[in-house]
Amino acid sequence: DGGITQSPKYLFRKEGQNVTLSCEQNLNHDAMYWYRQDPGQGLRLIYYSQIVNDFQKGDIAEGYSVSREKKESFPLTVTSAQKNPTAFYLCASSITVWEKLFFGSGTQLSVL
Amino acid sequence: EDQVTQSPEALRLQEGESSSLNCSYTVSGLRGLFWYRQDPGKGPEFLFTLYSAGEEKEKERLKATLTKKESFLHITAPKPEDSATYLCAVGVYGSSNTGKLIFGQGTTLQVKP
Repeated sequence: DGGITQSPKYLFRKEGQNVTLSCEQNLNHDAMYWYRQDPGQGLRLIYYSQIVNDFQKGDIAEGYSVSREKKESFPLTVTSAQKNPTAFYLCASSITVWEKLFFGSGTQLSVL
Repeated sequence: EDQVTQSPEALRLQEGESSSLNCSYTVSGLRGLFWYRQDPGKGPEFLFTLYSAGEEKEKERLKATLTKKESFLHITAPKPEDSATYLCAVGVYGSSNTGKLIFGQGTTLQVKP
């Protein structure tokens, strides 16, 4: 079955630590996205990539980094510079921009 | 400024009690309006895309409509399994948000048996 796989489902970060969230898709989609979801708020865009080896900052990119070395993969690193990382992180993909998004099942990141 | 607002924030219905959710938007240019359903602890699931005013789409008990300023998600005779958070998102062009989807904060629907 085609889809988007996020791992891990739960992740805990210690102070000063960088952590990486995995996102893999086998839908052959060009565009991939990372969103952050906080309780009672809508989805906020962290980074997006329209094509391999290219990505752009979203609305809340500070404290995060990404790479897009393969079409299938778009990992997100939450760095120690992100002081409030506790949130539900969602990865998504689409055939191209403006098309409907397909979402993964999310990663809940918490701070120890 | 591009903005998407959903109302109400929360809605409680009795099973069979029909109602509507609202998504109002102010954007430089509309390139599609999307509705998603999200269950707790899961990723959103696509429901509908609407592109132009007057367009309507239906799926089971759900019907989405679009005007130049807002969209409605009508739920007819809801069942408890329709309980979820419903998200609205707008594809934008003509501003610094070109190519992005702007999400509303969602409406959490609870349907009681």
